[in-house]
Amino acid sequence: AQSVAQPEDQVNVAEGNPLTVKCTYSVSGNPYLFWYVQYPNRGLQFLLKYITGDNLVKGSYGFEAEFNKSQTSFHLKKPSALVSDSALYFCAVRVPYSGAGSYQLTFGKGTKLSVIP
Amino acid sequence: GAVVSQHPSRVICKSGTSVKIECRSLDFQATTMFWYRQFPKQSLMLMATSNEGSKATYEQGVEKDKFLINHASLTLSTLTVTSAHPEDSSFYICSASPAGTRGYTFGSGTRLTVV
Repeated sequence: AQSVAQPEDQVNVAEGNPLTVKCTYSVSGNPYLFWYVQYPNRGLQFLLKYITGDNLVKGSYGFEAEFNKSQTSFHLKKPSALVSDSALYFCAVRVPYSGAGSYQLTFGKGTKLSVIP
Repeated sequence: GAVVSQHPSRVICKSGTSVKIECRSLDFQATTMFWYRQFPKQSLMLMATSNEGSKATYEQGVEKDKFLINHASLTLSTLTVTSAHPEDSSFYICSASPAGTRGYTFGSGTRLTVV
C-alpha cells in the first residue's frame, strides 16, 4: 500500500523568507509525486509533479520540489514566501499503472501554511 | 488546460432528501473520475472511482447505496447522496486524469450541508 506523510500540521513563515513544506512517501515501485494547494472552500490546484527525470521540479507560482529517492522525500520549497501563499498544501503519490486500483492518488493529511506579513 | 467543472458549489438540503452533484470534464474525455470527501481540517478521502459505462468501484467503508455514482458519458459523472443526514455534511470533490498527462485535475468542490 502507498502512503504519504506530512509531518507538520502547520508551518509559519515570515513574508519574504524561504519556506519548506515537508513530505515523505512510501510506495512499492517508482512513485509519481504531486503537490496541490487548496484555498478555503475550493478544490485543489495543481502546483507541480515529479514523474521521472530531474530530481528538482519547478512548478506554478514560484514553487519547486526536490525528489530524494534515498530519503523518500519530496519537500515543497519557495525562495521567498508571499502572504498570498497562505493556504493548505497537500502532497500526494501514486504508482505507474499496473492494474486495478493503481490509479489511486493517496494524499497526505495536509499542511497549513501561514505567511506572516 | 484541462478543466473539471463541478456543480453545485454549495447546497443545503433537508434531512431525508437526496442531492445530486455533477462533475464534468470540459475539454477532455474522462473514462475514469474520482470522488473524494473532505472533512474539516482533514485530508481528502477517496470514496469511489467512477468508470464510464460500468459500475463504480467503492472504497472500503463507503456505502454504495448511500452514495450513488453514475458515469453515463465520457464527460459527466454524478454523485447522488441519498436520504441525506447531517453526518453527510462535508466537502465533496471530484477529479479526473486527462489522458497522457499522468496528472489529475480537480473540480472546485461542493459544500453539502444537511439540516
